[in-house]
Amino acid sequence: DAGVTQSPTHLIKTRGQQVTLRCSPKSGHDTVSWYQQALGQGPQFIFQYYEEEERQRGNFPDRFSGHQFPNYSSELNVNALLLGDSALYLCASSLARQGVSYGYTFGSGTRLTVV
Amino acid sequence: AQKITQTQPGMFVQEKEAVTLDCTYDTSDQSYGLFWYKQPSSGEMIFLIYQGSYDEQNATEGRYSLNFQKARKSANLVISASQLGDSAMYFCAMRENFGNEKLTFGTGTRLTIIP
Repeated sequence: DAGVTQSPTHLIKTRGQQVTLRCSPKSGHDTVSWYQQALGQGPQFIFQYYEEEERQRGNFPDRFSGHQFPNYSSELNVNALLLGDSALYLCASSLARQGVSYGYTFGSGTRLTVV
Repeated sequence: AQKITQTQPGMFVQEKEAVTLDCTYDTSDQSYGLFWYKQPSSGEMIFLIYQGSYDEQNATEGRYSLNFQKARKSANLVISASQLGDSAMYFCAMRENFGNEKLTFGTGTRLTIIP
């Protein structure tokens, strides 16, 4: 049973560029959340997607956007990259029941470096 | 506002000894969930144990147990008979159950098991 798959594993981008990160949820899960983990910090919630819509958003600027596809996979897009966007980006999938998510499962993350 | 505090940035423990990782939380909600995750150097967040705020019994999962003291707002993780493979970062996290999908994480504790 495949867990959460994220790609790419590592990425180097130049300040001002745009980046797209991808996530395939665990089999049977229908909800995807994205987190940003800066070095030495705990993960910070970016947003969550359910039924192809953004259900909840954390305190991140509009430069961070996402998408969920009919097969439940998801993309995280970051525009106009800043040096401070360098971090490990984690995807977590879960199963929604009566509006509440259960069984959070995390991927290994994409390490983004902005130079 | 939610807040998770982990006051131990690092701990060194002898192999086979028990270890307690501290976590205190702050919330005004009556219904919430508390999680512990392990993050090895690979980056993946591995779920260890969950405690619901209305659960009367402390949660246990194999060698992991959660010492839940609701009045003190603490949710300490206890690892019995530590093993070398337990060396990793450990994060405490909280989620309000109704209408809030966000996991709020602490800053983590780096646990090193000494042979």
